[in-house]
Amino acid sequence: NAGVTQTPKFQVLKTGQSMTLQCAQDMNHNSMYWYRQDPGMGLRLIYYSASEGTTDKGEVPNGYNVSRLNKREFSLRLESAAPSQTSVYFCASSERGRGTEAFFGQGTRLTVV
Amino acid sequence: GNSVTQMEGPVTLSEEAFLTINCTYTATGYPSLFWYVQYPGEGLQLLLKATKADDKGSNKGFEATYRKETTSFHLEKGSVQVSDSAVYFCALTQYSSASKIIFGSGTRLSIRP
Repeated sequence: NAGVTQTPKFQVLKTGQSMTLQCAQDMNHNSMYWYRQDPGMGLRLIYYSASEGTTDKGEVPNGYNVSRLNKREFSLRLESAAPSQTSVYFCASSERGRGTEAFFGQGTRLTVV
Repeated sequence: GNSVTQMEGPVTLSEEAFLTINCTYTATGYPSLFWYVQYPGEGLQLLLKATKADDKGSNKGFEATYRKETTSFHLEKGSVQVSDSAVYFCALTQYSSASKIIFGSGTRLSIRP
C-alpha cells in the first residue's frame, strides 16, 4: 500500500537551476497539496489542487509552478531555484468530505546553494 | 480567514508525566479538527480527529475534545513515553470543494527517560 510517493527524497541545486518534484498517490483522492516546512515555521501551503484539472495558490506560491497531470499525480516545479527555497517539501492528498484526513509523503529535502 | 494557534515549543517532559498541548482556532461554521504527529525524518500522520462540537477524538492514549464555546481542541495524554517524542500539529478543514487544510505552527515534544 504505497499511499503518497514523493521523488526525489534529497536534492541539492545551484542557484538558478530548475527542477521538478514529483508526487503520486494511489488512493484515488481528488485533492492534492504541496507544503513546505521550514524550522520554526510549521507547514505553509504552496499550491493545492481540489480536483484533476484545477490548481490554486496557497500562502507562498511565488517562485513555484504546479501541474495536476492526472488524478494521481501533482508535480511542483522550481523554475529558477533560490537559497530561500531551501526547505523540506511535502506532498499530501485527501478526499473531499467532512472530516477526511490528509495523507502525506515522506518529504523531499531540498538545499539550494 | 481560518487560522489555528497552538502553544509554542519545545516542550520537554519526563516519562510518565501528564501532557497538554493547547490549540485554539478561528473559523466560521463548523470545521473539522485534527491532530497530526510527525516523527523524526518522516511525513505527518493523523493522530486523531473530531468533526463536531463535543466530539472526543482518541488514539494511542492521546485525547482531544472539540470545544466550540472556547474554540479549542487541546491535546492531552495521561502518561507520556519516550516514543511520544515528535512534533505535533493541530489542523482544521472546512468542508468545501477545496477542503484546504490549515495547520498550526507545530509543537516539538521531547520526553526524557
